[in-house]
Amino acid sequence: DIQMTQSPSSLSASVGDRVTITCRASQDVRIYLNWYQQRPGKAPKLLIYSASTLQSGVPARFSGGGSGTDFTLTISSLQPEDFATYYCQQSFSTWTFGQGTKVEIK
Amino acid sequence: EVQLVESGGGLVKPGGSLRLSCAASSFNFSDYSMNWVRQAPGMGLEWVASISSLGPYLNYADSVRGRFTVSRDNGKKSLYLQMNSLRIDDTAVYYCVSSGPVGSSGYLAYWGRGTLVTVST
Repeated sequence: DIQMTQSPSSLSASVGDRVTITCRASQDVRIYLNWYQQRPGKAPKLLIYSASTLQSGVPARFSGGGSGTDFTLTISSLQPEDFATYYCQQSFSTWTFGQGTKVEIK
Repeated sequence: EVQLVESGGGLVKPGGSLRLSCAASSFNFSDYSMNWVRQAPGMGLEWVASISSLGPYLNYADSVRGRFTVSRDNGKKSLYLQMNSLRIDDTAVYYCVSSGPVGSSGYLAYWGRGTLVTVST
């Protein structure tokens, strides 16, 4: 199976900060890379699919990039509701997720 | 708004069985592949099983293959997961999740709230 590694595992940031999370695949997944947000006690929510396409209804401060093995999720200006855990997922072959990145309030 | 509501979770002993259900509403259930994804307490996400829109295509994670069976009833807009020979490490919240539209790239579009399965003596 393809291994997905996110970095960092956690980060502390302030409201208004620009935040970037990285996801690396153990082999080429082209652009079959998706991002999810999970707030505490809630189900995950799709943010971005196909590496850079914003899901309908997701604020434009979220953006995704990359292809092949290296991908990023960027939040341009962190809002209070963005403090959550973020997961990447590859859908190129048997689906696997990264271990998650927890974004906490500084 | 798409709604997916899971039920059937609970406490079961190792070696036991449980059947999860997921009721869908507010979307054309029969047009979408469906999936189960689980999350052990305090841990990350793990894909469990998928079923195509009309049911003939099934896929399972290695960790559950041969023990779990996914099925669907499009007339009832329902998804199921029959779980047999349950192990302690099957303990998790199980989410019912729809894929994107036909031809989409394998993303998980809509998630239910989940149902907790606890396997313990």
